[in-house]
Amino acid sequence: SQKIEQNSEALNIQEGKTATLTCNYTNYSPAYLQWYRQDPGRGPVFLLLIRENEKEKRKERLKVTFDTTLKQSLFHITASQPADSATYLCALASSGGSYIPTFGRGTSLIVHP
Amino acid sequence: EAGVTQFPSHSVIEKGQTVTLRCDPISGHDNLYWYRRVMGKEIKFLLHFVKESKQDESGMPNNRFLAERTGGTYSTLKVQPAELEDSGVYFCASSQASAHNEQFFGPGTRLTVL
Repeated sequence: SQKIEQNSEALNIQEGKTATLTCNYTNYSPAYLQWYRQDPGRGPVFLLLIRENEKEKRKERLKVTFDTTLKQSLFHITASQPADSATYLCALASSGGSYIPTFGRGTSLIVHP
Repeated sequence: EAGVTQFPSHSVIEKGQTVTLRCDPISGHDNLYWYRRVMGKEIKFLLHFVKESKQDESGMPNNRFLAERTGGTYSTLKVQPAELEDSGVYFCASSQASAHNEQFFGPGTRLTVL
């Protein structure tokens, strides 16, 4: 069966360090992968989209890598700040489907000052 | 520009009652999506409208759930009769194009069925 796995344990890091979050998947042929940020009591906010034929994408302090051989995406936040503390969700959309994203459960990031 | 809005923000009802959730998408967005997050689980797709037409309703749990989008503007999701397992947060999202564009999510409606 299809699975998207994100680390359920919170990631605690010190301000200024790079945070790296992992998204692994099985039994998918993703057309693209998205990363969202979700704060308590709010809906997810889109951050980045990376397509199956792209290896890396950057946006300001954010970087996403996509390895379709390893079936893994890494999400990096450089020079992390306490304001980056949130839950980060990855979502995959399969080719051959309607491109509706399927979400992982998310990983909580806590950046300590 | 106003984002996606949802009403109510919270709803507490008893098993067997009816509840109607409303979503107002971003103006001009033809695509509207409903999702649900049950506690401890991932966000799951319920259905997708393109304008007033249901494009994909494969995620609707059962026939107690009815979604409408008359006129292709706002949408309602009615649960009748509500069961305990319907509790969760219901998110609505909209997008300009269905395939690869980003979806803009509303704040969600937290539904508690007692």
